[in-house]
Amino acid sequence: EAQVTQNPRYLITVTGKKLTVTCSQNMNHEYMSWYRQDPGLGLRQIYYSMNVEVTDKGDVPEGYKVSRKEKRNFPLILESPSPNQTSLYFCASSPGGLLSGANVLTFGAGSRLTVL
Amino acid sequence: TQLLEQSPQFLSIQEGENLTVYCNSSSVFSSLQWYRQEPGEGPVLLVTVVTGGEVKKLKRLTFQFGDARKDSSLHITAAQPGDTGLYLCAGAPPYGGSQGNLIFGKGTKLSVKP
Repeated sequence: EAQVTQNPRYLITVTGKKLTVTCSQNMNHEYMSWYRQDPGLGLRQIYYSMNVEVTDKGDVPEGYKVSRKEKRNFPLILESPSPNQTSLYFCASSPGGLLSGANVLTFGAGSRLTVL
Repeated sequence: TQLLEQSPQFLSIQEGENLTVYCNSSSVFSSLQWYRQEPGEGPVLLVTVVTGGEVKKLKRLTFQFGDARKDSSLHITAAQPGDTGLYLCAGAPPYGGSQGNLIFGKGTKLSVKP
């Protein structure tokens, strides 16, 4: 089944304790992206990657890192989490860049992160 | 900065009623997508509209892209409890813009009561 898999789905952690949220897709998609979803703010892009070893900042990259060492994986790293990073995180992938109407996003099921 | 304004933010209706959700912008988009998100899940694509004036139907859902490609609407006929969810519109920037992101509206939360 074509899918985007995120782990963990739920995580409660404490301020400053480094964590990684993994994201993997099995569709051979070139484009991958991370979003956070907060009440009243909607979906905001954190980072995206157009291909292996190519990453770029989205709208809210502060406090996050990403890497794209292989096509299928795009982990999100919080080096020193803070309470304002408490949010619902989504990974998404697409066959290619998003200018084309044919390239739509497939989302993972989400990772709910709480930072105390 | 391109923005997509969705209205209404919240909508609570009875089963069988019709409804329309709007997605408006002052900017032009090369295409516009509609997603539905259910609690505990990620958004799932419903439809993509590409041509100005385009109308697409998906069973009881009708999607329209404005002639100027700045706005879109989603009309649901005879809503059912299974239609409950968060409806998101997302616009792709026009050619020459960034390939890296869609512009998302903040969503319309629909609740259909039996």
